[in-house]
Amino acid sequence: AQSVTQLDSHVSVSEGTPVLLRCNYSSSYSPSLFWYVQHPNKGLQLLLKYTSAATLVKGINGFEAEFKKSETSFHLTKPSAHMSDAAEYFCVVSVQNQKLVFGQGTRLTINP
Amino acid sequence: EAGVAQSPRYKIIEKRQSVAFWCNPISGHATLYWYQQILGQGPKLLIQFQNNGVVDDSQLPKDRFSAERLKGVDSTLKIQPAKLEDSAVYLCASSARVQGFGYTFGSGTRLTVV
Repeated sequence: AQSVTQLDSHVSVSEGTPVLLRCNYSSSYSPSLFWYVQHPNKGLQLLLKYTSAATLVKGINGFEAEFKKSETSFHLTKPSAHMSDAAEYFCVVSVQNQKLVFGQGTRLTINP
Repeated sequence: EAGVAQSPRYKIIEKRQSVAFWCNPISGHATLYWYQQILGQGPKLLIQFQNNGVVDDSQLPKDRFSAERLKGVDSTLKIQPAKLEDSAVYLCASSARVQGFGYTFGSGTRLTVV
């Protein structure tokens, strides 16, 4: 069975500094990987997805993630944090067209 | 395009009562999902429909939860009787394909069982 582990439950950065949200996955097959963002009282929004094409994936709002098979990682980064980035972020795995399996989430706080 | 519609947005009930949630997916999306998101956790799939047939309900507590998708369009998720541990946000999502990408999530129904 596939799973994801988000290594930090809470990340706090200052506005204008880089963001790194860490995710490791476990899968017996080639996975599809996603990052979703959830703002308070809002629905889940897809940031980006990896589906066995380029290993560096660019998403919306300046976010990107790199698939590293050797490290079984799919970390999310952004060069410069903005106040509007404050939210909950979920790393998600899917294998062989099966259901999405979510990580526990990382709460991102942006300090002015 | 219109998003995934869910109602109600909030619901408070006493334990052992029953409750129902409604979801209207994006027009033309054949696949519909119900997820349960307990506070502090990631969403967990309860049930997946392809048109009006069930694809995966392995994590649905069938002794108290039921769901249907008549005519392959909108869907209802019911809990009867509710327990305190059912307090969560119930998210509906739809996609045009069975694959896990191309999902659109609704804003969810927040259920509080007291």
